[in-house]
Amino acid sequence: DAGVTQSPTHLIKTRGQQVTLRCSPKSGHDTVSWYQQALGQGPQFIFQYYEEEERQRGNFPDRFSGHQFPNYSSELNVNALLLGDSALYLCASTFSLLGDEKLFFGSGTQLSVL
Amino acid sequence: AQTVTQSQPEMSVQEAETVTLSCTYDTSESDYYLFWYKQPPSRQMILVIRQEAYKQQNATENRFSVNFQKAAKSFSLKISDSQLGDAAMYFCAILMVAGGTSYGKLTFGQGTILTVHP
Repeated sequence: DAGVTQSPTHLIKTRGQQVTLRCSPKSGHDTVSWYQQALGQGPQFIFQYYEEEERQRGNFPDRFSGHQFPNYSSELNVNALLLGDSALYLCASTFSLLGDEKLFFGSGTQLSVL
Repeated sequence: AQTVTQSQPEMSVQEAETVTLSCTYDTSESDYYLFWYKQPPSRQMILVIRQEAYKQQNATENRFSVNFQKAAKSFSLKISDSQLGDAAMYFCAILMVAGGTSYGKLTFGQGTILTVHP
């Protein structure tokens, strides 16, 4: 049973570019959350997707957007990249009826903005 | 808004000894979950232990146990019989519940790096 998978593992972009990160939830899960983890810090909540809609959003600008597909996989898009967007981006999934206290995390995508 | 504070940036322990990691939090809500996550160099966030706020009994999971003091808003993690594989960054986190829904918004502390010496 595959866990939460994220791609790519590493990514290098330049300022002003756009990036798309991908996440496949654990089998049986229907809800996906995204987190940003800066170096040496704890993760910060970006948003959560359920039934292909953004259900809640953290304190992130509109440059951060997402999408959830009918197969429950999800994408995180970041436009007009800034140096400060360099971070590890974590995806977490759960099954809605079990509740978010049973989150499973992926290994993340390391984004470097030059 | 809720906050989580881990006042120990780094901790170390000898193999087979016991270590306690500290965590305090602040919230005005009464319904929430508390977590300890482990993040090894592989970067994957691994759940170590979970505590429901409404439960007075402290959670235990094999060598891991917590000391949950709700009035003091304290949630420490005790690792007994430490092993080399326990070396990692440890994060304390809180998940609020409102109307039976939490929306996946974990709030994390800054983390504590745990080193285990052989």
